[in-house]
Amino acid sequence: GQQLNQSPQSMFIQEGEDVSMNCTSSSIFNTWLWYKQDPGEGPVLLIALYKAGELTSNGRLTAQFGITRKDSFLNISASIPSDVGIYFCAGQPSGNMLTFGGGTRLMVKP
Amino acid sequence: SAVISQKPSRDICQRGTSLTIQCQVDSQVTMMFWYRQQPGQSLTLIATANQGSEATYESGFVIDKFPISRPNLTFSTLTVSNMSPEDSSIYLCSVRRDREYNEQFFGPGTRLTVL
Repeated sequence: GQQLNQSPQSMFIQEGEDVSMNCTSSSIFNTWLWYKQDPGEGPVLLIALYKAGELTSNGRLTAQFGITRKDSFLNISASIPSDVGIYFCAGQPSGNMLTFGGGTRLMVKP
Repeated sequence: SAVISQKPSRDICQRGTSLTIQCQVDSQVTMMFWYRQQPGQSLTLIATANQGSEATYESGFVIDKFPISRPNLTFSTLTVSNMSPEDSSIYLCSVRRDREYNEQFFGPGTRLTVL
């Protein structure tokens, strides 16, 4: 099925840095969801967005539903080692099915 | 949220055999889905499991290969039939409480390796 364009594909972080990732689509979505997946686990829902322009926080995480309804971003402030993992965006157009981005792999700088 | 369990958590199977994966939710949910996640990839929807009727399959997935059951509002199974090494993936159960409430939750996954 259709995939969202998620970027970056991967990034290295140093503890304390702020991190930003985003998803774009050619289609309009009614809902944006952000997930984190740790190795050997299923994705865990971090933030859900339901309205264009909506800005929602969950601890050090902040996500926004783009005003055009075709994009969303996720920011992580003051990153810590346990932020390492794969982050997925997911958008829902009209209808029931979620469309997933390709994922952003967060790794720790050696 | 919803607490979702899957059995088995992992398995190693021989080519040509079949494996049935179980998904159990701690409360009734309207919608249940099955996803596949190939190594290093994103999630791909296999089908929506419908209670009391045949599952709704996405393009590229067929009932003969991935039969699905959903006998009630808290349980579903996915069978991977006549397996080949290309079926080696993580299989994930996912649920949504109702059609209007769009938050969707995932089980821990079943890691399948086919030799």
